[in-house]
Amino acid sequence: GAVVSQHPSRVICKSGTSVKIECRSLDFQATTMFWYRQFPKQSLMLMATSNEGSKATYEQGVEKDKFLINHASLTLSTLTVTSAHPEDSSFYICSAGGQSLMAQYFGPGTRLLVL
Amino acid sequence: AQKITQTQPGMFVQEKEAVTLDCTYDTSDPSYGLFWYKQPSSGEMIFLIYQGSYDQQNATEGRYSLNFQKARKSANLVISASQLGDSAMYFCAMINSGGSNYKLTFGKGTLLTVNP
Repeated sequence: GAVVSQHPSRVICKSGTSVKIECRSLDFQATTMFWYRQFPKQSLMLMATSNEGSKATYEQGVEKDKFLINHASLTLSTLTVTSAHPEDSSFYICSAGGQSLMAQYFGPGTRLLVL
Repeated sequence: AQKITQTQPGMFVQEKEAVTLDCTYDTSDPSYGLFWYKQPSSGEMIFLIYQGSYDQQNATEGRYSLNFQKARKSANLVISASQLGDSAMYFCAMINSGGSNYKLTFGKGTLLTVNP
């Protein structure tokens, strides 16, 4: 199957700093990438949908100025958590959509801990 | 609004036995897809099986089968011959049109524990 990578896999940062997470589709072009957040023992919650070359669409309740998404190319989307706070500590996971709508390939996720 | 309900927070099964994980969904869209994913403790989301709303037959993938009952809006996952490595979180999800984008909506998940 298709491969999606995320970097870093784990990051610890100080409160107030910004953290960038990369999501790459390694062997296919992804016109659409999705960003999810998962708190411990909870389900995945869609944060935003990013389409290459256009602004991301954020879900209700997600602050677009805090979670900056850039989808600069067909193989790369980035999520930047700006001025991170301890409550932003979570598991962030991306998925990339190929040509088939049923095909969403998930990255391995990034564990963020804000101290 | 789309909704996925998984009523079993946790399930236990003996190794080599079969287990059914429940999933019901709610949507007004006539066209949708249903997925099951496995999430081990490492966090990665592993695709298991897919069922389209217009598929006449229940989907099967190896030891996984999806019991699709459209009128009841249920899409239960059946795992046959459980293995210790099947212990993980299992999520049911639905994809349908969300405006100009197609979104996956996830249930809360079921934690499956396979006992030796």
